[in-house]
Amino acid sequence: DAGVIQSPRHEVTEMGQEVTLRCKPISGHDYLFWYRQTMMRGLELLIYFNNNVPIDDSGMPEDRFSAKMPNASFSTLKIQPSEPRDSAVYFCASSPPDRGRGELFFGEGSRLTVL
Amino acid sequence: TQLLEQSPQFLSIQEGENLTVYCNSSSVFSSLQWYRQEPGEGPVLLVTVVTGGEVKKLKRLTFQFGDARKDSSLHITAAQPGDTGLYLCAPHSSNTGKLIFGQGTTLQVKP
Repeated sequence: DAGVIQSPRHEVTEMGQEVTLRCKPISGHDYLFWYRQTMMRGLELLIYFNNNVPIDDSGMPEDRFSAKMPNASFSTLKIQPSEPRDSAVYFCASSPPDRGRGELFFGEGSRLTVL
Repeated sequence: TQLLEQSPQFLSIQEGENLTVYCNSSSVFSSLQWYRQEPGEGPVLLVTVVTGGEVKKLKRLTFQFGDARKDSSLHITAAQPGDTGLYLCAPHSSNTGKLIFGQGTTLQVKP
């Protein structure tokens, strides 16, 4: 079975540009999470969805960040305008319906570099 | 604010040695997971512990959940170079539905 699929794997852009990261969760999983990982702050939860509905976006750093999940098989994380401090690895993860144990399945991540 | 600390932050050992990694929190959690992350990849779930005092074994890895469900440990016996990676503990709050990740322990096992 395919795991969580993220694209692009690497993105290098200039400050001020718009960045869109994409995620396809595992089929049948109804929770989707966006995390950001940096050396300084570790893994931080940005936002998560349940059945395509945003449940908690308290981790989204600023209004420059937005996330959507138009259907069960696709989500995007957009940064507009991007800044150098947004440079990080962004992970998407999905979780099956039984969230009693909260087990996450991560994608390989999108490494973003903002110059 | 829920505090979560992992120790040590970095560990470099020789193949064949034993080691223990600790995860401590200030809150009680319904369950706790351990993940391992290799460079360039996403974290991969190793185990979930649910019951206070629970011990789970995964080959040479032994995971324990504290009696009060505030802390956990991961013990690796006879470490191998393939054990190299970032080990993350992640307690789960059933109230918020969130996993909180620790900063992780970076383990290097030298041949």
